[in-house]
Amino acid sequence: DTEVTQTPKHLVMGMTNKKSLKCEQHMGHRAMYWYKQKAKKPPELMFVYSYEKLSINESVPSRFSPECPNSSLLNLHLHALQPEDSALYLCASSQVSGGPGVGLFFGSGTQLSVL
Amino acid sequence: AQKVTQAQTEISVVEKEDVTLDCVYETRDTTYYLFWYKQPPSGELVFLIRRNSFDEQNEISGRYSWNFQKSTSSFNFTITASQVVDSAVYFCALNNPSGTYKYIFGTGTRLKVLA
Repeated sequence: DTEVTQTPKHLVMGMTNKKSLKCEQHMGHRAMYWYKQKAKKPPELMFVYSYEKLSINESVPSRFSPECPNSSLLNLHLHALQPEDSALYLCASSQVSGGPGVGLFFGSGTQLSVL
Repeated sequence: AQKVTQAQTEISVVEKEDVTLDCVYETRDTTYYLFWYKQPPSGELVFLIRRNSFDEQNEISGRYSWNFQKSTSSFNFTITASQVVDSAVYFCALNNPSGTYKYIFGTGTRLKVLA
């Protein structure tokens, strides 16, 4: 079983809806990530939080808004999405102290469909 | 520039066959880290192994083995006596200290193990 939990597993939303994706980890990791993955493609980094502060934003459109309320939780707020935003959204976490050499631990993702 | 190439898009083998997944990387850094991840149909990426650039020792874990060769910039992954449960997409990834939290993923190799 994964130690990174994502909800919901599936989400269908219209272009005018507002929804949120949630991610939770209890491994004591202080770095958390959002990735977007299109079918048959590798994951693409969207955001990184380190010690609850946003450290990387890969020029993601503002219709995606991340939030890290505490060290265990990561949210991704969605508003006015486009059909091309349909994808698998993956949350991941890692230790910070080990630097970039530590592995990422992923959740099972939210499969998002925008109609 | 950093890059990870997985030239094999899809491989099909019959159960109990051995299979090797290739990974070739490019980086100018002397310190870097290489990873393999498995993504089964359930969606989550599972961390398999990490190797740093100063450790060229090959590693074996059960039916899995990894061959790291700096001379050819390769980090290949072999599954011995493959099983149907090994069917997944496998990603090779690269990270280095100057890249902070940015993992460079290859395009993935889809492995199908037929019963």
